[in-house]
Amino acid sequence: DGGITQSPKYLFRKEGQNVTLSCEQNLNHDAMYWYRQDPGQGLRLIYYSQIVNDFQKGDIAEGYSVSREKKESFPLTVTSAQKNPTAFYLCASTRAGVSGANVLTFGAGSRLTVL
Amino acid sequence: QKEVEQDPGPLSVPEGAIVSLNCTYSNSAFQYFMWYRQYSRKGPELLMYTYSSGNKEDGRFTAQVDKSSKYISLFIRDSQPSDSATYLCAMSGLTGGGNKLTFGTGTQLKVEL
Repeated sequence: DGGITQSPKYLFRKEGQNVTLSCEQNLNHDAMYWYRQDPGQGLRLIYYSQIVNDFQKGDIAEGYSVSREKKESFPLTVTSAQKNPTAFYLCASTRAGVSGANVLTFGAGSRLTVL
Repeated sequence: QKEVEQDPGPLSVPEGAIVSLNCTYSNSAFQYFMWYRQYSRKGPELLMYTYSSGNKEDGRFTAQVDKSSKYISLFIRDSQPSDSATYLCAMSGLTGGGNKLTFGTGTQLKVEL
């Protein structure tokens, strides 16, 4: 079945460490997104990529980095510069070029806890 | 003031009740309106998707958009315990990709036996 796989599901990090969250999709979607979800704040966009080897900052990109070397993969690195990294991270994708129909398919999420 | 406002709940109803979930928004450019359902510790999944004003029905679910009042609703008929989840509204304008989606904070719903 087609879908988005995020790993790990749960991750613990010590302060000062970088961690990388994996996101893989087999939907043949062009565009991929990373969101952060915190209680009472809804989903906030971190980074997005509409094509391989290109990505754009979202609303809260500081302290995060991404790469898009393959269409299927869009890993997110949470760096030590991110001051409050404990959150639920969601990866999503959609077909590019579908004007306005921004229907996203989400992965199951990765919960990062900083100790 | 947020662009999209959504009551966080929690909303608790008995099984079989009609549930009304709502979002208000301030951006008149929004044309596409979506409802996502998110079970605990899972990713959101698309429930309903509507364009502009009007109603859309899918089984026990009805999505309603009133652009004149900048108000959207999701109705659930004959609610079931399996409907217990957080419901997120999302909306966007005519142009742009998923980066242009604005989400509500979500309403937590609990349907009790």
